[in-house]
Amino acid sequence: DGGITQSPKYLFRKEGQNVTLSCEQNLNHDAMYWYRQDPGQGLRLIYYSQIVNDFQKGDIAEGYSVSREKKESFPLTVTSAQKNPTAFYLCASTMEGGTYGYTFGSGTRLTVV
Amino acid sequence: AQTVTQSQPEMSVQEAETVTLSCTYDTSESDYYLFWYKQPPSRQMILVIRQEAYKQQNATENRFSVNFQKAAKSFSLKISDSQLGDAAMYFCAYNSGYALNFGKGTSLLVTP
Repeated sequence: DGGITQSPKYLFRKEGQNVTLSCEQNLNHDAMYWYRQDPGQGLRLIYYSQIVNDFQKGDIAEGYSVSREKKESFPLTVTSAQKNPTAFYLCASTMEGGTYGYTFGSGTRLTVV
Repeated sequence: AQTVTQSQPEMSVQEAETVTLSCTYDTSESDYYLFWYKQPPSRQMILVIRQEAYKQQNATENRFSVNFQKAAKSFSLKISDSQLGDAAMYFCAYNSGYALNFGKGTSLLVTP
């Protein structure tokens, strides 16, 4: 079955540590997205990529980095510069334009310990 | 960036009754797409309904329908015959052309 796989489901980060969240899709979608979800804040866009080897900052990109070396993969690195990384992270993908909506992964819960 | 506003942080409905969730948005575009997503306790985002702005007719998907008022930039979701499984967070979203912009969500409680 086609879909988006996010891993791990739960992730714990120590202070000053970089961690990478995985997002893989087999839907042959062109565009991929990372959103952060905090209680009462809805979903906020971190980064997005519409084609391989190209990506753009979203509204809250500071402290995060991404790469898009393959169409299927869009990993997100939460760097030590992100001062408040504890949140729920959602990856999504869509055909170009997104006019039929996005498909979402099941999310990664990141906690700083 | 376009803004999406959901003015009801929480709503409650009795089983089998009807509830309407509100959403307004701000845009200068004339052609765009609007969506409602459901997020149950599993936190999986599920597409509920989609509306194309250039279509006058309101979208309907089974018990879910929208009231799309383009001039007022309003996009409310009506859930008829509410079921316990409808309890979830509901997010309104606007397609800006490069990404979905989401409202802050409405938490829907369904009581027996």
